[in-house]
Amino acid sequence: QQQVKQSPQSLIVQKGGISIINCAYENTAFDYFPWYQQFPGKGPALLIAIRPDVSEKKEGRFTISFNKSAKQFSLHIMDSQPGDSATYFCAALGGGSNYKLTFGKGTLLTVNP
Amino acid sequence: GAGVSQSPSNKVTEKGKDVELRCDPISGHTALYWYRQRLGQGLEFLIYFQGNSAPDKSGLPSDRFSAERTGESVSTLTIQRTQQEDSAVYLCASRSGTGAFGYTFGSGTRLTVV
Repeated sequence: QQQVKQSPQSLIVQKGGISIINCAYENTAFDYFPWYQQFPGKGPALLIAIRPDVSEKKEGRFTISFNKSAKQFSLHIMDSQPGDSATYFCAALGGGSNYKLTFGKGTLLTVNP
Repeated sequence: GAGVSQSPSNKVTEKGKDVELRCDPISGHTALYWYRQRLGQGLEFLIYFQGNSAPDKSGLPSDRFSAERTGESVSTLTIQRTQQEDSAVYLCASRSGTGAFGYTFGSGTRLTVV
């Protein structure tokens, strides 16, 4: 059972465009939703995160939108740049004291110059 | 150290051999995790250590997989009698003791079973 569903699998955007990646979760015990950025050969790095009591969080060009009733959240990358080309993972955490992360399958973002 | 260090970075092994993967967490991080990343997939949780004990081993896929941690520091993930389906990137992460933030991942070990 996949607890965090992510779409699309891949995304191609022109430089300056908006990249949008969507995730949906099932477990209502989740209480923290981070997004990770992963470059080839590297481990995932935390990009931005949100708690379910907030509907939106913005950090620079990156924004998370959160819809608690629909159990959905999304990452928006404004003014996308070629350096943003990477794999992005949404994740969810909660429901226990071990703080283990449940990940989506990832989105490969390519930003063309 | 400054980050989470994993070794080797790449490992090619023959089917049926045993392998050991090593993780050096950030000094002082009491929590340590192993995740597996198969090609085109998200990260799958394998095991969680708090100190030297492993209260959650629920993600280990079979009894061929085991892990230990010593001195609240280095951890070793061992895969016995490797199979081709074990081919993946194995990622280690450590976390500081204060709350849900503070995960730091290593760059992983890419394991290829031929």
